[in-house]
Amino acid sequence: DAGVIQSPRHEVTEMGQEVTLRCKPISGHNSLFWYRQTMMRGLELLIYFNNNVPIDDSGMPEDRFSAKMPNASFSTLKIQPSEPRDSAVYFCASTWDRDGEQYFGPGTRLTVT
Amino acid sequence: AQKVTQAQTEISVVEKEDVTLDCVYETRDTTYYLFWYKQPPSGELVFLIRRNSFDEQNEISGRYSWNFQKSTSSFNFTITASQVVDSAVYFCALREGRDDKIIFGKGTRLHILP
Repeated sequence: DAGVIQSPRHEVTEMGQEVTLRCKPISGHNSLFWYRQTMMRGLELLIYFNNNVPIDDSGMPEDRFSAKMPNASFSTLKIQPSEPRDSAVYFCASTWDRDGEQYFGPGTRLTVT
Repeated sequence: AQKVTQAQTEISVVEKEDVTLDCVYETRDTTYYLFWYKQPPSGELVFLIRRNSFDEQNEISGRYSWNFQKSTSSFNFTITASQVVDSAVYFCALREGRDDKIIFGKGTRLHILP
């Protein structure tokens, strides 16, 4: 079975540009999580969805960040406009029940210059 | 509030030595879940184990073992006869029973020296 799929794997963009990160969760999983990892702040939960509905977006840094989950097999995290401090690895993870462990995608390494 | 502390920021041991990674957690819930994840140099996060609060039985999987002690709120991870491939950052994490969120510790970077 395919794991969590993220694209792109690497993204380099200039400050001010819009960035869209994509995630396909494991088939059958009903919860999806977006994380950001930096050296300074470690792993931070940005937002998570349950059955495609956003449940908690308290970790989203600011209005420049938005996330959607239009269906059970796809989610996007958008940054508009991007800033150099957004440079990080962004992970998507999914799980199928409330007890379950989260399975992570390979991550998207974002560099904003 | 829930919290996970991994006091060891970085550990270096020589190959074949045993090494224990410490994890201390805080929660007010009686139902909770504990996890360990591995992040090798390639960057992906790999799930290793999940433990629920009602199961204090220690677990062994090959060279890996986990010691869960509610009395000290600890969930320590031991690698026996370490190998260079064990070099990675290891994260301990906690999820409270009423929540979907997992709170991660800061991680312990483990170097296994040949």
